[in-house]
Amino acid sequence: DQQVKQNSPSLSVQEGRISILNCDYTNSMFDYFLWYKKYPAEGPTFLISISSIKDKNEDGRFTVFLNKSAKHLSLHIVPSQPGDSAVYFCAASPGGGADGLTFGKGTHLIIQP
Amino acid sequence: EPEVTQTPSHQVTQMGQEVILRCVPISNHLYFYWYRQILGQKVEFLVSFYNNEISEKSEIFDDQFSVERPDGSNFTLKIRSTKLEDSAMYFCASSETLAVTYEQYFGPGTRLTVT
Repeated sequence: DQQVKQNSPSLSVQEGRISILNCDYTNSMFDYFLWYKKYPAEGPTFLISISSIKDKNEDGRFTVFLNKSAKHLSLHIVPSQPGDSAVYFCAASPGGGADGLTFGKGTHLIIQP
Repeated sequence: EPEVTQTPSHQVTQMGQEVILRCVPISNHLYFYWYRQILGQKVEFLVSFYNNEISEKSEIFDDQFSVERPDGSNFTLKIRSTKLEDSAMYFCASSETLAVTYEQYFGPGTRLTVT
């Protein structure tokens, strides 16, 4: 039962270009979406989030787009830097403070020099 | 910058033994969570805790698991009788209460190995 899906296990992008990571969800109750970055042997690090009432949120090099009708969101990183190489997780929440996050399986982003 | 801390970083235990994983959430946060990630799988929610009681729990969080906030800073996860399949990374997280956003901040994790 994959309520949050990241269909690309890995993605390779050249340094300086745009990285686009995709995520789909099936549960209409999800109201809040988050992206996390994870290095090996570390915990997930919060990157950026978006509420379902918005379709775009931007923070520096990171932009998240939400298409609620398609139940699809994407994370854009531009320009991509070597330090961006990590596993990126999409996560979703029904929006209450006590709700656990539902994570996707992650996409391993590799930035090529 | 405030961060969530977890101890120990690695715990090895024998099947059937009890383990306690410890976490110190960010000091002004009032929601606390435990997640686990079995090797090669996704991060899974276990339990959330607010106002000294469990708020939500997943199907994974059965009677073998319990959580406690024994003092003003620590948040613990106890597994009463560990099984081989409990081997995983366990992450603690915390978030602010009454925030308009729902970011959860994760600790570095405890790797639990059950032999």
